[in-house]
Order: sequence, then C-alpha cells, then structure tokens
Amino acid sequence: EPEVTQTPSHQVTQMGQEVILRCVPISNHLYFYWYRQILGQKVEFLVSFYNNEISEKSEIFDDQFSVERPDGSNFTLKIRSTKLEDSAMYFCASSSYTQYFGPGTRLTVL
Amino acid sequence: EDKVVQSPLSLVVHEGDTVTLNCSYEVTNFRSLLWYKQEKKAPTFLFMLTSSGIEKKSGRLSSILDKKELFSILNITATQTGDSAVYLCAVDANSGNTPLVFGKGTRLSVIA
Repeated sequence: EPEVTQTPSHQVTQMGQEVILRCVPISNHLYFYWYRQILGQKVEFLVSFYNNEISEKSEIFDDQFSVERPDGSNFTLKIRSTKLEDSAMYFCASSSYTQYFGPGTRLTVL
Repeated sequence: EDKVVQSPLSLVVHEGDTVTLNCSYEVTNFRSLLWYKQEKKAPTFLFMLTSSGIEKKSGRLSSILDKKELFSILNITATQTGDSAVYLCAVDANSGNTPLVFGKGTRLSVIA
C-alpha cells in the first residue's frame, strides 16, 4: 500500500541553524501539506502546496519557513534559523482527496 | 474562526468496554469530517464523513455525522488494548484538498 515517507525520523539541531525536513508524498497525489504538532498540543496546519506553488499558509509559516518540490518526488520544508519553539513533530501529508500523513520528523532545537 | 472540539480529552476503560468519542465543529464552509488514530507518530486515517446519518463502519469502529447539530461520534465496541491511542477529529472546511482543522484529540487508554 502506498504511503507517505519522511526523513529523518528525528533531527536535533542548535538554535539558529537551518534544517531541511524531507517528505516523499504518495506518487499520484497532487496536493501536499506540512503540519506540526508541539508536544501535548494539537496538530496545526503550516502550508499547502499544489502545482508547484504554495496554495495556502498559516500564520505560523513566516519568513523563516519555505517549501520546495525540487524534483518529481521530494517535498521539503526548510526552517532557515531555528528557534527553541520550533521543536515539534512535523508531519507531511499528501492527498488526491483524503489526506494521508507520513510518520513525522521529530525536530528538537537546543 | 473555524473550530473543532473533542470530548472527552481523555478516557480510561477496561478491555471489552464500548466507548463513544465526540467531536463538534463550527466551520464556515463544511465539506467533510475525518477521524484519525494517532498512536506513536503519524495520524492514520480511519473515516471520512460527508453526509448526515450514514454510518461508516470498519470492524469494531463506526462513526456517524450529524450536519444539523454539527457533531460526529466515533464508537469503538469490545475495546482492546491495541485501541489505546489518541483519536483525532479533523474538518475539511473549504473546498476539498484544503488544510484540515484538528481538534485536540481524545486520549483513549484501554487497560486489561
């Protein structure tokens, strides 16, 4: 059964460093998303992507964040200068209709 | 602001019990309601509900939507320890393939 995959599963970084989180969506899906979940809190939408551009973004998705689909399979989330409060689980999702989630990347900013 | 509220926030039951999880919503342009099960990591899809009164069923899990009263319930019968998880309710509040609005989840613990 096709699934969304994410790498790495866990990333530890120093405050101020750049991180890139990677996702491989389900191959025939056209819509891609990033969500995050801070420990103990609810899943929050960050950004959606369709047709090689951002279709919607939340207030959380400020200038420190960017997304890219560098080739036909990967979908990346970059955080330019990480802050302590960026520590969270980051989920990628893709859909043709129903959204399916990847296993997440746990980002820890020290 | 679109809102999804789940109750209870946590629940502890014994194996074999039946549980009902609640989800109410206030959204400007409802399209569908989804239930996910989150164990250690990714939310895994359970059900998508778009029409009132039509029960969706998968094994011991079932769910139904009431679009007039703006809520949905998720039932689990004959609970097992493997049902222990956080159950997330999310609403697609626009035109499909738009961001989901999640509730805080219900943490279900099933003890032997």
